[in-house]
Amino acid sequence: SYELTQPPSVSVSPGQTARITCSGDALPKKYASWYQQKSGQAPVLVIYEDTKRPSGIPERFSGSSSGTVATLTISGARVEDEADYYCYSTDSSDNHSVLFGGGTKLTVL
Amino acid sequence: EVQLVQSGAEVKKPGESLKISCKGSGHSFTSYWIGWVRQMPGKGLEWMGIIYPGDSDTRYSPSFQGQVTISADKSISTAYLQWSSLKASDTAIYYCARHPRDVLAGTFFHPDYWGQGTLVTVSS
Repeated sequence: SYELTQPPSVSVSPGQTARITCSGDALPKKYASWYQQKSGQAPVLVIYEDTKRPSGIPERFSGSSSGTVATLTISGARVEDEADYYCYSTDSSDNHSVLFGGGTKLTVL
Repeated sequence: EVQLVQSGAEVKKPGESLKISCKGSGHSFTSYWIGWVRQMPGKGLEWMGIIYPGDSDTRYSPSFQGQVTISADKSISTAYLQWSSLKASDTAIYYCARHPRDVLAGTFFHPDYWGQGTLVTVSS
C-alpha cells in the first residue's frame, strides 16, 4: 500500500534552518501539503500545493517538491515552531486514497 | 470566519454506541467536503473518511470501512461520525476538517480548516 515517509525527528538551534522531508512514489504527480500540530492543539495548515503558504503563515515557512520528495523548510526557526509536522497527499490511483505521513517532531533549542 | 465546532468529550464503555458531531459556520457547508481524522494517544494522524454534504457522497479509508459511519445533516450544517459498538482501541481524539471541492475531478483537495477535536475514551 502507498506510504508517505517522514523522519521521526529533526532538531535545530534557534535561527537555524529546519528541513523536514516527505517521501512518496506518487509525489511527482500529486501535491503535498503540510500541517503543524502543537502539543494539545488541532493541526494547522502551513503549506499547500507543494509551495503555497496560506494567509497568516509566517514567510519563514516554505515548501518545495522534487521527484518523490516534498520538503518543508523553516528558515530561521523559532522556539515557537517546535511542534509535530505532518505531510498529506493522495495516491495516483482512481480511488484518490488519502493519507498522512507519520509525522516529524521538530525540536528547536 | 470559518469555524468547525465539535461536540464535547465522551466517556463510553466497550460495546456502547456513539455519535459525535462537527458543526460548520462561516462558509457554505454544502460546497465543501468534511473529512474525519483519528489521532490515537501519542500517535500520528489517520484519515478515516469524508462526506460531501451537498449530495451525501461518502468515501471511507479501507482501514475504517465498516468500522464507522459518516453522515451529515445539511439543514443544520453538521457532519457526524458514529460507532455502533465501541472498542477500547477506539480511544482517540477525532478531528473533523474542511476539504475544498475539486469540481473538475469530482473529488476534494487538502483539508484547510480543522475542528478543535473530540476526545473519545472507551473503558470498562
